[in-house]
Amino acid sequence: QLQLQESGPGLVKPSETLSLICTVSGGSVSSTYYYWGWIRQPPGKGLEWIGSIYYSGYTYYNPSLKSRVTISVDTSRNHFSLKLNSVTAADTAVYYCARHEFSGMTVFGVTKNWFDPWGQGTLVTVSS
Amino acid sequence: QSVLTQPPSASGTPGQRVTISCSGSSSNIGSNTVNWYQQLPGTAPKVLIYNNNQRPSGVPDRFSGSKSGTSASLAISGLRSEDEADYYCATWDDSLNGRGVFGGGTKLTVL
Repeated sequence: QLQLQESGPGLVKPSETLSLICTVSGGSVSSTYYYWGWIRQPPGKGLEWIGSIYYSGYTYYNPSLKSRVTISVDTSRNHFSLKLNSVTAADTAVYYCARHEFSGMTVFGVTKNWFDPWGQGTLVTVSS
Repeated sequence: QSVLTQPPSASGTPGQRVTISCSGSSSNIGSNTVNWYQQLPGTAPKVLIYNNNQRPSGVPDRFSGSKSGTSASLAISGLRSEDEADYYCATWDDSLNGRGVFGGGTKLTVL
């Protein structure tokens, strides 16, 4: 059974870089069938897609965050990572990682695009 | 402000049928498939419906999805107390070089 687990600091200072790792068990990030994604949820608010990565390193990012986000994959350690730089209080959120059933943008459009399963999430607070 | 519009709240009594709407535009729902997630209190979201109307294994057939034009709906029949949760619609938006988008969420209360 595939499981994902987020890990990383729960507190980050403003202007610094938020770094999280998602460790995958019961499956492989090297799978050619899936992308691996990050989604966040500010306290009491809705969900926001951050970006997704394929095992080859190909990425899709949310344009609203693209200038500050880097997602990478480490197939040897079976995990993928998120880095968000120049954080502010607005980046305070529960950060989830998830397997992304994603076709990518093809000539036929995006034919599949859902997240399943999700990690339990980790709260990251941006504060001095 | 979410790209997809959902009512902030919905309610029903046990056994009732409720529907939750999700309104978008031609660049998102109008041209891509819609998914629905259920988020129980204090837990991570779980996919309930994918590709407009497909249920993952383990999801009861009380849950159903549909799409028409630039809108989609989630229907829950035979409402149960354990259905009390937040529900989010999601799809891909072709604008701005493409991005995944979620609705603002609907809090379902079982009275």
